[in-house]
Amino acid sequence: DVKVTQSSRYLVKRTGEKVFLECVQDMDHENMFWYRQDPGLGLRLIYFSYDVKMKEKGDIPEGYSVSREKKERFSLILESASTNQTSMYLCASRTGYLNQPQHFGDGTRLSIL
Amino acid sequence: GDSVTQMEGPVTLSEEAFLTINCTYTATGYPSLFWYVQYPGEGLQLLLKATKADDKGSNKGFEATYRKETTSFHLEKGSVQVSDSAVYFCALSDQKVQGAQKLVFGQGTRLTINP
Repeated sequence: DVKVTQSSRYLVKRTGEKVFLECVQDMDHENMFWYRQDPGLGLRLIYFSYDVKMKEKGDIPEGYSVSREKKERFSLILESASTNQTSMYLCASRTGYLNQPQHFGDGTRLSIL
Repeated sequence: GDSVTQMEGPVTLSEEAFLTINCTYTATGYPSLFWYVQYPGEGLQLLLKATKADDKGSNKGFEATYRKETTSFHLEKGSVQVSDSAVYFCALSDQKVQGAQKLVFGQGTRLTINP
């Protein structure tokens, strides 16, 4: 089974801090994704990566950046955390073959105080 | 662009009732279609998928058939259990060939099953 592991289930940070969310997958998947999930807004794609060191903006990239130095690891960075970035963050990965599903981690619930 | 529309929730049923959660989509080409389930406090899990017209995906008693003529992928289960209480997401894969294919999600339908 595919395993996508997010480093923290719960995280509390302060406004203005630089925050790192880590995601690791163990299936040698080419593609990785970061979403945020908010009540009433569903899942929104922040950034994705289709290969090592390659990244593309999703629908809501403002205030975020990403890093993919190794194939198995995809990091989401909040450059200067703000209260409106309090949310559930979900990481996913998938093989590069067409029409295959994404596999999700358990999520990180991030609170910015 | 591509889009997915799910029936509004929340949906509340009694145990052993029949379940239908409607999902329709708008897409160019021939996307693959997916249902995901999210239990409280967890990430999304793939429930079932279908990759071409008339395909039926099934898992854990749930079924959905890819209907190209009605652009629909409705989720059904004959007899629901309390443990099926969760949020269900319908999704389609976009038709990008190069780079990463992305998923387009519906807004999710919260299902509560009462004993």
